Amino acid sequence: DGGITQSPKYLFRKEGQNVTLSCEQNLNHDAMYWYRQDPGQGLRLIYYSQIVNDFQKGDIAEGYSVSREKKESFPLTVTSAQKNPTAFYLCASRFDSYNSPLHFGNGTRLTVT
Amino acid sequence: DQQVKQNSPSLSVQEGRISILNCDYTNSMFDYFLWYKKYPAEGPTFLISISSIKDKNEDGRFTVFLNKSAKHLSLHIVPSQPGDSAVYFCAASPRRGSQGNLIFGKGTKLSVKP
Repeated sequence: DGGITQSPKYLFRKEGQNVTLSCEQNLNHDAMYWYRQDPGQGLRLIYYSQIVNDFQKGDIAEGYSVSREKKESFPLTVTSAQKNPTAFYLCASRFDSYNSPLHFGNGTRLTVT
Repeated sequence: DQQVKQNSPSLSVQEGRISILNCDYTNSMFDYFLWYKKYPAEGPTFLISISSIKDKNEDGRFTVFLNKSAKHLSLHIVPSQPGDSAVYFCAASPRRGSQGNLIFGKGTKLSVKP
């Protein structure tokens, strides 16, 4: 079955630690995205990548970093510089066309204490 | 400044009746619109879309209407079922700029009561 896999489902970290969220897709999609969802805030774009070895900042990139070494993988690192890291993180992918819908993974709930 | 607005945070409807979810946008460059449905602790799933060259698109119980002059779209669900209870996000895509990335509204939580 084709899809997007995010792991782990739940993640707990101490403040000051960097943490990496995994996202893998086998849909042969060109573009991959990271969104963050907070209560009452909808989905906000963190980073996106349209091609391997290239990525762009979204609306709220500060405190995050990404890499795109393979077409299938787009890991997100939440660094200690991110002031409010506790959130629900969603990875998505799609074909690189403006009218192609996004396909989402099931998300990772990150809690930092 | 919000480019895509869903002004109703929540909506409650009786099973079998029509659910109407609304969405307004401000950017006239948007020309492709989508609706996503999201259950708690899951990723959103694509529901239905519409291009700006159309004013209506239908898929089973779901119909999306687009009024370009008013910069308004709506999602109609008929008949509503308890399984439709979820958060619905409206999203828009510009043809140019931002490489076609989607801009999401904040969502409307639909509750369908049996």
